[in-house]
Amino acid sequence: NAGVTQTPKFRILKIGQSMTLQCTQDMNHNYMYWYRQDPGMGLKLIYYSVGAGITDKGEVPNGYNVSRSTTEDFPLRLELAAPSQTSVYFCASSYISGTGITDTQYFGPGTRLTVL
Amino acid sequence: AQKVTQAQTEISVVEKEDVTLDCVYETRDTTYYLFWYKQPPSGELVFLIRRNSFDEQNEISGRYSWNFQKSTSSFNFTITASQVVDSAVYFCALSEGESNFGNEKLTFGTGTRLTIIP
Repeated sequence: NAGVTQTPKFRILKIGQSMTLQCTQDMNHNYMYWYRQDPGMGLKLIYYSVGAGITDKGEVPNGYNVSRSTTEDFPLRLELAAPSQTSVYFCASSYISGTGITDTQYFGPGTRLTVL
Repeated sequence: AQKVTQAQTEISVVEKEDVTLDCVYETRDTTYYLFWYKQPPSGELVFLIRRNSFDEQNEISGRYSWNFQKSTSSFNFTITASQVVDSAVYFCALSEGESNFGNEKLTFGTGTRLTIIP
């Protein structure tokens, strides 16, 4: 198993540009998450998904969009990039059963994004 | 609202010393989970432990141990006989216990940067 993979690893954007951060997991996890980590800070939840076709906002969703068309993929879209979106982005996945039995979250290696 | 406080921003200790990282949390849920993650200089997040709110037993794993005290809302992490490889940022995190969408939405503390001096 590759676990959670993210592409690209690094990216520099100009203000106003758009891009999609890719996230794929091969563990058949139903839950997937996007976090951002600003310098010297903990991670903050942007969006999450409980399964294909279902997404919901986290703590800091403004400026981002997500979709979940398959179990494996959970891309994060940045529209009109702003300097405030300079951060490291982590994707994670976990399995939660119908009875609420959970596994821990597994994180991808991160994407370092700079908006200039 | 949930909150995790890691008051120690940075700690430096000499190799082989013991070190304790503090974590204090706030939640109104009766069911919740607490986590510790390690983020080495390479940047990835490494899962260390998960503890549910009904299990207050302390846990030991090699040189690592965790002390969970609901009475003080704390979940402290101790490294015994520290090594240079322990140098990293350590995050404490809390997840909601009961919600419409499950219980793994994590709230992270701001992290403690631990430096082990050889």
